[in-house]
Amino acid sequence: RKEVEQDPGPFNVPEGATVAFNCTYSNSASQSFFWYRQDCRKEPKLLMSVYSSGNEDGRFTAQLNRASQYISLLIRDSKLSDSATYLCVVNPTGYSTLTFGKGTMLLVSP
Amino acid sequence: DAGITQSPRHKVTETGTPVTLRCHQTENHRYMYWYRQDPGHGLRLIHYSYGVKDTDKGEVSDGYSVSRSKTEDFLLTLESATSSQTSVYFCAISESGTGGSSYEQYFGPGTRLTVT
Repeated sequence: RKEVEQDPGPFNVPEGATVAFNCTYSNSASQSFFWYRQDCRKEPKLLMSVYSSGNEDGRFTAQLNRASQYISLLIRDSKLSDSATYLCVVNPTGYSTLTFGKGTMLLVSP
Repeated sequence: DAGITQSPRHKVTETGTPVTLRCHQTENHRYMYWYRQDPGHGLRLIHYSYGVKDTDKGEVSDGYSVSRSKTEDFLLTLESATSSQTSVYFCAISESGTGGSSYEQYFGPGTRLTVT
């Protein structure tokens, strides 16, 4: 089983739609979890950290399910500017390195 | 945005030549990382540093070496470039290695390297 797995997509949605991505991780001892966003030919940028209790930032909601070892990202009221690749990121060891998923591509159309 | 710059931003070089990429930060963060990103592989860690002169290998370190003589600079060297090292190279920084939110990493703009 790969350390961090994501559906590569692409997810094609119209503006205003709600879309959800899931990510699974293999190491049950993983400590920290993040979602990053990467635009085409740009660097990854931190979108949000994922806390055990779940967290929300505007239109974005992240959830963590430790029992099933998955993380989710929900985007409500999608905008054209949300089109990007979303990377699921896990800190598997409690030390300073992160493991990145290969990303899920989102395309939002008018 | 975090103060991270990479140089050069683009480079074309020939097989067998040495290449050095530079990452410079103005955040005084302790941890610095070098990744490569290739289609179908995602981001893969090459080497990282946890302090001046303190470095460790990542997942794909063969063919690469690093040095960190100052907090703000982290150099990645390809001793003898090969075509398989054609990639986009990203530098990242992190404040520390302990505690939840401090594991967050912030990335530089990347260097596109082509080895012909």
